[in-house]
Amino acid sequence: EIVMTQSPATLSVSPGEGATLSCRASHSISRNLAWYQLKPGQAPRLIILDASTRATGVPARFSGSGSGTEFTLTISSLQSEDFAVYYCQQYDNWPPVTFGGGTKVEIK
Amino acid sequence: EVQLVQSGGGLVQAGGSLRLSCAASGFTFSTYSLNWVRQAPGKGLEWVSYISGSSSAIYYADSVRGRFTISRDNAKNSLYLQMNSLRDEDTGVYYCARDSSSWFYWGQGTLVTVSS
Repeated sequence: EIVMTQSPATLSVSPGEGATLSCRASHSISRNLAWYQLKPGQAPRLIILDASTRATGVPARFSGSGSGTEFTLTISSLQSEDFAVYYCQQYDNWPPVTFGGGTKVEIK
Repeated sequence: EVQLVQSGGGLVQAGGSLRLSCAASGFTFSTYSLNWVRQAPGKGLEWVSYISGSSSAIYYADSVRGRFTISRDNAKNSLYLQMNSLRDEDTGVYYCARDSSSWFYWGQGTLVTVSS
């Protein structure tokens, strides 16, 4: 099973500032990685697939990078609607599909 | 418009059973694989089970194998999760999600509460 580790657990950011979230895989997963945004009471929203492709309807301020075992989600200028929990997910070696533990992006 | 509408869920005693449903519309149901994913209170996302379009491939997380059964009825455009021998740790919000890699389409989620 591939273990996904996200850091930091919590990120405190002021609106308008940028944020960088990290995700590490225990083994190489090529670029088979997705990022999801999760808000209370809502279904997860796909933000990034294949490590760097923005999902349909996702603003350009979201960008993903990385390959192998190290990945990054960058939000260039945080808007109020971006404060949420973000999860990375690997789909290179499954089952099982595995998720990281999440990074909470909170208002500073 | 693609829609996944969930039903079922609720409060059940430990050791009991529950069946979740996910009704799909807006796409050719039989050509897409589907998953169940859950989130326990205060915890992260956990993949639960997968089923291919023809039901020829079915997979489970170790935590539910032998207790949960995923199935689908392509004539009814519906996905199911039969949950037996429920435990406290099965409490959470359960989502259905379409596709086999990254998941753009999700159901609205349904809460399962297992009480001991």
